[in-house]
Amino acid sequence: AQSVTQLGSHVSVSEGALVLLRCNYSSSVPPYLFWYVQYPNQGLQLLLKYTSAATLVKGINGFEAEFKKSETSFHLTKPSAHMSDAAEYFCAVSFPGSSNTGKLIFGQGTTLQVKP
Amino acid sequence: GEEVAQTPKHLVRGEGQKAKLYCAPIKGHSYVFWYQQVLKNEFKFLISFQNENVFDETGMPKERFSAKCLPNSPCSLEIQATKLEDSAVYFCASSQSGQSNQPQHFGDGTRLSIL
Repeated sequence: AQSVTQLGSHVSVSEGALVLLRCNYSSSVPPYLFWYVQYPNQGLQLLLKYTSAATLVKGINGFEAEFKKSETSFHLTKPSAHMSDAAEYFCAVSFPGSSNTGKLIFGQGTTLQVKP
Repeated sequence: GEEVAQTPKHLVRGEGQKAKLYCAPIKGHSYVFWYQQVLKNEFKFLISFQNENVFDETGMPKERFSAKCLPNSPCSLEIQATKLEDSAVYFCASSQSGQSNQPQHFGDGTRLSIL
C-alpha cells in the first residue's frame, strides 16, 4: 500500500540550530514528494517538491530536502532555525501514471518548536 | 483570483443540520481537490474535479457528502444531516493540471464545528 510516515510528531530545536524533519514513504513506484508548512489557522504552503529531477531540492525560506530512493526517504532540513519556522510541517506524496489522479497522501505532520 | 478562496472561515451547525462550504479556485486552474483535516493532522482526500466533472471521488463518504463544481460558480461541498464526527477543517486546493507532479495550492480552510 502507498503511504507516508513522518517520524516524530514533535521536534524542538534552539534558534540557530539545524532542523531535521523526517519523512519516509512506502510505494512500489517512484513517487512525487512534497513538503508543506501550515501556520496556525492557515492553509498549506508549499515549501518544495521532488518530481524526479535533481534529488536535492531547494525550497523557500532556506529549506531543502534530499530524495534517497535506497532509503525511501525525503527528509527536510534547514541549517539554522529561525523563530518564524515554528509551525506544522507535512510531507505528502502523489504517484505518476494514468491510474493516479493527483490526490495527495499526507503524513501525520510534525510540529516544529523553536526555542530562543 | 491569485489565491484559493474558501468561505466561510468558520461554520457552526447543530447535529443533523446541513452544512455547505464553498471554494473558488485560482483563476486558470482546472482542478479542484477537497481534503478533510481532523484534529490538526490526518489530512484525508475526499474528492477532486476537472472543471465541472468529478475526477476522483474515491475518498467521499457514500452517504451525506456531496460536491459540485459548476461553471462560473464557486465549487461547493455539502454535508447533509451532519454528525459530531464531521467536525474538522475542510481544505480546498487547486492546480493547473491533474498531473501528479503539479503542486496543489491550498485555501485557508473552513472550520466546521458540529454541536
